[in-house]
Amino acid sequence: SQTIHQWPATLVQPVGSPLSLECTVEGTSNPNLYWYRQAAGRGLQLLFYSVGIGQISSEVPQNLSASRPQDRQFILSSKKLLLSDSGFYLCAWKRRSGDTEAFFGQGTRLTVV
Amino acid sequence: GENVEQHPSTLSVQEGDSAVIKCTYSDSASNYFPWYKQELGKGPQLIIDIRSNVGEKKDQRIAVTLNKTAKHFSLHITETQPEDSAVYFCAASISAGSTLGRLYFGRGTQLTVWP
Repeated sequence: SQTIHQWPATLVQPVGSPLSLECTVEGTSNPNLYWYRQAAGRGLQLLFYSVGIGQISSEVPQNLSASRPQDRQFILSSKKLLLSDSGFYLCAWKRRSGDTEAFFGQGTRLTVV
Repeated sequence: GENVEQHPSTLSVQEGDSAVIKCTYSDSASNYFPWYKQELGKGPQLIIDIRSNVGEKKDQRIAVTLNKTAKHFSLHITETQPEDSAVYFCAASISAGSTLGRLYFGRGTQLTVWP
């Protein structure tokens, strides 16, 4: 069966510090991978998605970047965090076909202080 | 791109009553419509989905209806229970083109079921 791991679960970081959130998927190959952010107000904002190793599409300009060094590994990074980067970050994977569900990780609660 | 609108943003019902959440979408090419439930501090989980060749789908107390002509779909929860309290998201997906596989989410509905 397929599983998705996301860590850490919670993180408190000072303004200006770097960030690295990691997500790995097991039990599938060539998944589409996604990073979402969920701020207060509950909406799921798509930040990045990837259809293959080294292929990253950014949905919104921001202080964050993403990388996919391996087929089932997706990393969200920042060189210098801002207060506005606080939120709940979710990684998800999906099969390539259009009509299939996305599977979400358990999320990382990031607080920038 | 696709735009998904979801209403209401909050919904409170008494235990045992029914709850209905409605979504509309803009792109007629969308053909897959999942619904997710998100409990506090957790990632969303799929509860039911429907494809465009079907008008209604049921799974115990949960049902989803789709009207492709009007471009709207709805989630129906009957005999609600306190454990149904959560945030619910609708989404739409297009199965072809440059946005293949991308899910467009509504803004979510906070459902509260009072005992």
